[in-house]
Amino acid sequence: ETGVTQTPRHLVMGMTNKKSLKCEQHLGHNAMYWYKQSAKKPLELMFVYNFKEQTENNSVPSRFSPECPNSSHLFLHLHTLQPEDSALYLCASSLALASGNTIYFGEGSWLTVV
Amino acid sequence: QQQVKQSPQSLIVQKGGISIINCAYENTAFDYFPWYQQFPGKGPALLIAIRPDVSEKKEGRFTISFNKSAKQFSLHIMDSQPGDSATYFCAALSGGYNKLIFGAGTRLAVHP
Repeated sequence: ETGVTQTPRHLVMGMTNKKSLKCEQHLGHNAMYWYKQSAKKPLELMFVYNFKEQTENNSVPSRFSPECPNSSHLFLHLHTLQPEDSALYLCASSLALASGNTIYFGEGSWLTVV
Repeated sequence: QQQVKQSPQSLIVQKGGISIINCAYENTAFDYFPWYQQFPGKGPALLIAIRPDVSEKKEGRFTISFNKSAKQFSLHIMDSQPGDSATYFCAALSGGYNKLIFGAGTRLAVHP
């Protein structure tokens, strides 16, 4: 248990569906991240939030829409995804954005797009 | 230049042996090098990390060796155990900003 909780753990969605992934951290951290893990590529950073403000969008397609209502919660809204978007989506957090602050990952949400 | 190259892709070691995973980078601005361990069904977890001002860091059976001039670093797992079977990722970041660049991962299997 890392203190970073992701729901749902598994999600199957059609290409025309709208769904959301939720992340909650109970660590009092101020920075939160979305990473994508797929079989064909290394772990890829998608978005970074610091004190609920987005500081990084790593050229992610607009069909992925993040939302950070407060420092403890992070959402990833999904709309009109493609089969190649099927992957493990990992949420993470750290106390601060500065280098060296340990990043704690959740267990991930397995997404399958059919 | 932002890549971190990791090898081997997979590794099989007998119990009690030494597991060695290697990583190389190009960006000399990288200033923090963590290793993450990931078990099936779990997210990655920080295992050990090093900064380039030291050449080696040891924590229990895990050691990072760092060669700044060669821009390479490696993870050594001494007395490998079946419970060490997992995927290991090296990573790097720079500029005082917590943006991890990951290697492709090494799947380690330790056989009894």
